Amino acid sequence: GAVVSQHPSRVICKSGTSVKIECRSLDFQATTMFWYRQFPKQSLMLMATSNEGSKATYEQGVEKDKFLINHASLTLSTLTVTSAHPEDSSFYICSAPSGTGELFFGEGSRLTVL
Amino acid sequence: AQSVTQLGSHVSVSEGALVLLRCNYSSSVPPYLFWYVQYPNQGLQLLLKYTTGATLVKGINGFEAEFKKSETSFHLTKPSAHMSDAAEYFCAVSFSGNTPLVFGKGTRLSVIA
Repeated sequence: GAVVSQHPSRVICKSGTSVKIECRSLDFQATTMFWYRQFPKQSLMLMATSNEGSKATYEQGVEKDKFLINHASLTLSTLTVTSAHPEDSSFYICSAPSGTGELFFGEGSRLTVL
Repeated sequence: AQSVTQLGSHVSVSEGALVLLRCNYSSSVPPYLFWYVQYPNQGLQLLLKYTTGATLVKGINGFEAEFKKSETSFHLTKPSAHMSDAAEYFCAVSFSGNTPLVFGKGTRLSVIA
């Protein structure tokens, strides 16, 4: 079945640095990818919709300049957390629609900002 | 707008007992409905989905769910709980296969030996 790969699975960084998370669709093309954020013991909240070749669409309350999204190809979307702070620590998950009524999720990336 | 309500943030059952996790949704259009399972520090794994057709949907690991339009429900069941079923379960809804999912708050299932 379709697979979405996310990298890195875990990242620890110092406050003020930037971190890039990659999301790849391995055996299908994804013109759209969705980025979610999950706080500990909470549900997944949609952050933004990544669109291949155009600007991402951000949900209300999500800082565009803080969470930079690039969808450079039909198989790769990246989320860059800029000038990270401890409150950005979270579990970030990407997903891509397969076109058959199902969303495939990446393995998730746990970001810890010290 | 769509929304999902999962009744009970934590459900505890004995090993071998029936598992019932409740999910109600609201949607202005016919929904696509999903159940996902999440183990600690991992991503989401699809258990089952309803898009169209048969309202009783069978998924992996012995789980099934029934879409009841009149009750706007999509409860998840399993006849006999196993220790390995202990995890967080999320119900989700979307308009179609290409739109983002709206998730419920999740239900943590504990299985007692």
